[in-house]
Amino acid sequence: GAGVSQSPSNKVTEKGKDVELRCDPISGHTALYWYRQSLGQGLEFLIYFQGNSAPDKSGLPSDRFSAERTGGSVSTLTIQRTQQEDSAVYLCASSDSRAFFRNEQYFGPGTRLTVT
Amino acid sequence: QKEVEQNSGPLSVPEGAIASLNCTYSDRGSQSFFWYRQYSGKSPELIMSIYSNGDKEDGRFTAQLNKASQYVSLLIRDSQPSDSATYLCAVTILQAGTALIFGKGTTLSVSS
Repeated sequence: GAGVSQSPSNKVTEKGKDVELRCDPISGHTALYWYRQSLGQGLEFLIYFQGNSAPDKSGLPSDRFSAERTGGSVSTLTIQRTQQEDSAVYLCASSDSRAFFRNEQYFGPGTRLTVT
Repeated sequence: QKEVEQNSGPLSVPEGAIASLNCTYSDRGSQSFFWYRQYSGKSPELIMSIYSNGDKEDGRFTAQLNKASQYVSLLIRDSQPSDSATYLCAVTILQAGTALIFGKGTTLSVSS
């Protein structure tokens, strides 16, 4: 079946602009995660959704970052007033959370964000 | 601070050899353990998951878990040049929700 999809695949924006990144999880997966990966850095957790609610937002680096999920499916990550340090690959993953602690997460192709 | 540690490598092995990748984790509450493969410029791909002590085999891959030593490893038998990638170890700590905590990865290079 279809995997996790993300759009756009690449985004170049000017410092100070707002950007929206979209994630479409695997059909039927109720859990959705956003991570980011910076050059030379590991994968950094941002936020987790279970259905439409976000029980864990602990990884969001600042209040410029927000995310929402609607209909238990598509999620949007919004970065306001982008800064150069926001440049990274933003990865979305989903999992079938019925087996809670097993939590196998499947990643989308990512959005490469470049802030100039 | 919950940490997952991996040797960054590069780990170089000849084609046909066994590649051994290691990972240690700091939190004894860790319950689920995963290995992801990431090719350059691509996103991580789940290749193995393991939840209980011992070995789990899937094709050429074997994951080994030792919770007492807080150690998880991945063996790749009959290594192929196509196995050349970065291998990421990840754990889930239940108390932290279900986010994965990743190591920084080990780069494997398989020469033909």
